[in-house]
Amino acid sequence: TQLLKQSPQFLSIQEGENLTVYCNSSSVFSSLQWYRQEPGEGPVLLVTVVTGGEVKKLKRLTFQFGDARKDSSLHITAAQPGDTGLYLCAGAPAGTALIFGKGTTLSVSS
Amino acid sequence: DTAVSQTPKYLVTQMGNDKSIKCEQNLGHDTMYWYKQDSKKFLKIMFSYNNKELIINETVPNRFSPKSPDKAHLNLHINSLELGDSAVYFCASSLPGVQFFGPGTRLTVL
Repeated sequence: TQLLKQSPQFLSIQEGENLTVYCNSSSVFSSLQWYRQEPGEGPVLLVTVVTGGEVKKLKRLTFQFGDARKDSSLHITAAQPGDTGLYLCAGAPAGTALIFGKGTTLSVSS
Repeated sequence: DTAVSQTPKYLVTQMGNDKSIKCEQNLGHDTMYWYKQDSKKFLKIMFSYNNKELIINETVPNRFSPKSPDKAHLNLHINSLELGDSAVYFCASSLPGVQFFGPGTRLTVL
């Protein structure tokens, strides 16, 4: 059973377009994290959302945590080739290890 | 400068061999991890150590044996390698809520 479901799995867009990636669960999380992984590298933490309904912005990236703390979204405005990578959401069900979604592979072409 | 480092970066070996991957972190964190990322990019925790003590073992075959000689090192030894062990292995260390990943070791078993 996949505890964190990410969609879409693949996304290929042109530079300048907007996109949204979703991370959904039937379980409540105390927090969710978003990581970005570039080829040949380890994942790097982008943001942690903690409060239901919370919105965090990181330049052109906007992260939202659902009111019920079961889902999160990542919106990228005016995507650039440098945004290309694997985006992973992750969360730790109470008292357990961090689990990851299966990721969204984003390709932005110029 | 490197926060979490792993060696080797690439490892190609024959089935049945025994191999080790080394990990070191200079962040002063108490907790370290090993993750396995499969060909579909799914990242799954294998082990977690806190202050040299094993705290999580996620149903990993006992051919995999982690060893933590001190708080800054967590090595992974794999006996009798199988084709299905081919993957990228990531070491990580963490503060509460934040994980820092190494660059990964790509293991190919022929």
